Amino acid sequence: AQSVSQHNHHVILSEAASLELGCNYSYGGTVNLFWYVQYPGQHLQLLLKYFSGDPLVKGIKGFEAEFIKSKFSFNLRKPSVQWSDTAEYFCAVTPGYGNKLVFGAGTILRVKS
Amino acid sequence: DGGITQSPKYLFRKEGQNVTLSCEQNLNHDAMYWYRQDPGQGLRLIYYSQIVNDFQKGDIAEGYSVSREKKESFPLTVTSAQKNPTAFYLCASGGTDSYEQYFGPGTRLTVT
Repeated sequence: AQSVSQHNHHVILSEAASLELGCNYSYGGTVNLFWYVQYPGQHLQLLLKYFSGDPLVKGIKGFEAEFIKSKFSFNLRKPSVQWSDTAEYFCAVTPGYGNKLVFGAGTILRVKS
Repeated sequence: DGGITQSPKYLFRKEGQNVTLSCEQNLNHDAMYWYRQDPGQGLRLIYYSQIVNDFQKGDIAEGYSVSREKKESFPLTVTSAQKNPTAFYLCASGGTDSYEQYFGPGTRLTVT
């Protein structure tokens, strides 16, 4: 079945540690890729997106993600996390033929101060 | 103040009752979506609508119904046929020429 996989459900880091959250998808062909973030008590909001062009995309709050087509991956990175990055992070994909979002299961990040 | 509103924030119902969740948007988006969020399962698509008076089933539509009589509104009814209705429900909207979706604050439904 076509799906989106996030490798870690829970990640705990200390402040200033580097972050990488894995995301793999199983759709062939053209895809649009997203990372959404849900801070405690807040709306789900868009962190960054990839449609085409440079496979390294920059998002808000110092996050970036790299699209590697050959690996069907779109991993999220941040060089130095802060306590305020504590949140749940969702990778999502729209297959090229439509605008239905398919979400991964989410990764809960806790940053210790 | 543009955005998506969902009401109420918390909803409690007895088993066997139908319940309707409200979703309103003033972003002038054509498309609207309903998702269900369960711990460890991410968001799963229940129903979506690309245009007024038209909607399609998502991946987990059984036990749910929707209507789209106005562009701004996309209410979701959780029927008594839904086997496990307790969950967090998120509404979203987006343009049909854009892949971005904007999410509301959600409604947490508890059925006992």
